[in-house]
Amino acid sequence: GQQLNQSPQSMFIQEGEDVSMNCTSSSIFNTWLWYKQDPGEGPVLLIALYKAGELTSNGRLTAQFGITRKDSFLNISASIPSDVGIYFCAGPGDTDKLIFGTGTRLQVFP
Amino acid sequence: SQTIHQWPATLVQPVGSPLSLECTVEGTSNPNLYWYRQAAGRGLQLLFYSVGIGQISSEVPQNLSASRPQDRQFILSSKKLLLSDSGFYLCAWSAGGHQPQHFGDGTRLSIL
Repeated sequence: GQQLNQSPQSMFIQEGEDVSMNCTSSSIFNTWLWYKQDPGEGPVLLIALYKAGELTSNGRLTAQFGITRKDSFLNISASIPSDVGIYFCAGPGDTDKLIFGTGTRLQVFP
Repeated sequence: SQTIHQWPATLVQPVGSPLSLECTVEGTSNPNLYWYRQAAGRGLQLLFYSVGIGQISSEVPQNLSASRPQDRQFILSSKKLLLSDSGFYLCAWSAGGHQPQHFGDGTRLSIL
């Protein structure tokens, strides 16, 4: 079945650094979603991408829909402590379902 | 705007006891509804989803069941909890198809 692989699995960075993570699929997607999950809470939608090559920003976050339609990237600029959490990518699965990636755990040190 | 509510936020139950977790959505009609489980430090596992009242699709065989008695209400149940049912349970809604899903705050369930 379809799978989404996220890398890296975890990141430990210093406050102020930029962050880059990606998500790859074994098949073509026509939608990419990025979520963030704070500790002990539900995931929150950050960015939705609907077109190959699309680049969308949300504050310090920028996500890109890869032109091959098999990958997507999320960048965070000038990280701050509240960026800590798990970042999930997601894409369309079978009817009415999403496939979620395995997550990238981000830790930010002051 | 749409909101989703889950309760309780935390629950500690003995093995063998019943379970009922509730999820309600406001501000939309005929949403798709989903129950996920998340083990500590792990990804999201889809348990059940529903595209309408009384319509439940089960994704994995397990000790749990789901029901949708009203359009915007989704309930996760068990008659007898097992230790392996411990985890973080998340409810989500979407407008249907492959639209983005929006999650509740989750219920942390501990089985003793």
